[in-house]
Amino acid sequence: AAGVIQSPRHLIKEKRETATLKCYPIPRHDTVYWYQQGPGQDPQFLISFYEKMQSDKGSIPDRFSAQQFSDYHSELNMSSLELGDSALYFCASSVQGFTTNYGYTFGSGTRLTVV
Amino acid sequence: GNSVTQMEGPVTLSEEAFLTINCTYTATGYPSLFWYVQYPGEGLQLLLKATKADDKGSNKGFEATYRKETTSFHLEKGSVQVSDSAVYFCALGRSSNTGKLIFGQGTTLQVKP
Repeated sequence: AAGVIQSPRHLIKEKRETATLKCYPIPRHDTVYWYQQGPGQDPQFLISFYEKMQSDKGSIPDRFSAQQFSDYHSELNMSSLELGDSALYFCASSVQGFTTNYGYTFGSGTRLTVV
Repeated sequence: GNSVTQMEGPVTLSEEAFLTINCTYTATGYPSLFWYVQYPGEGLQLLLKATKADDKGSNKGFEATYRKETTSFHLEKGSVQVSDSAVYFCALGRSSNTGKLIFGQGTTLQVKP
């Protein structure tokens, strides 16, 4: 079965650079979520999109922005990178209205290292 | 606000031992509860879930029962294997919002042969 695809798997950037992370949800899933997991930490919700509109916002820095495109894939854009942005970034997808009954499916994550 | 608290790890067990990882939550209303597992270097995988009080979620020998009276969702397995070594996250999801999950801090399980 198709899963949530994230790219790239690993990314190394320097401070103050920009990074773009991509997420391709499971086909027919209309909702995408982004989470950030620091080393040894639990995943923290950043932002979510439903039908290409932002549906919820968590602890996402102003330096970050995200969007969902017409094909439902999503991109997380991160600017002015800081060392503290080094983390594993997960994308997850679901069908709106079914999340609380079925949970949702996570991708394998993008490991961002800022040096 | 909503929150999830898990027992601190790491939990170290011998193979075939009984496992319990405690999870308690704070929430208004009637959330759904989940356990996710994260193997080294991998993403989060849904292990099991329960959507209402007294529901029991089960998968791969793991079980957890939604206890509203004690606001708990403890994870149990009767006989762990080395391959169960991973980080386990308890999570809470509200029934009426956009699907955001709130995670506990994770509990590392190490199973020794």
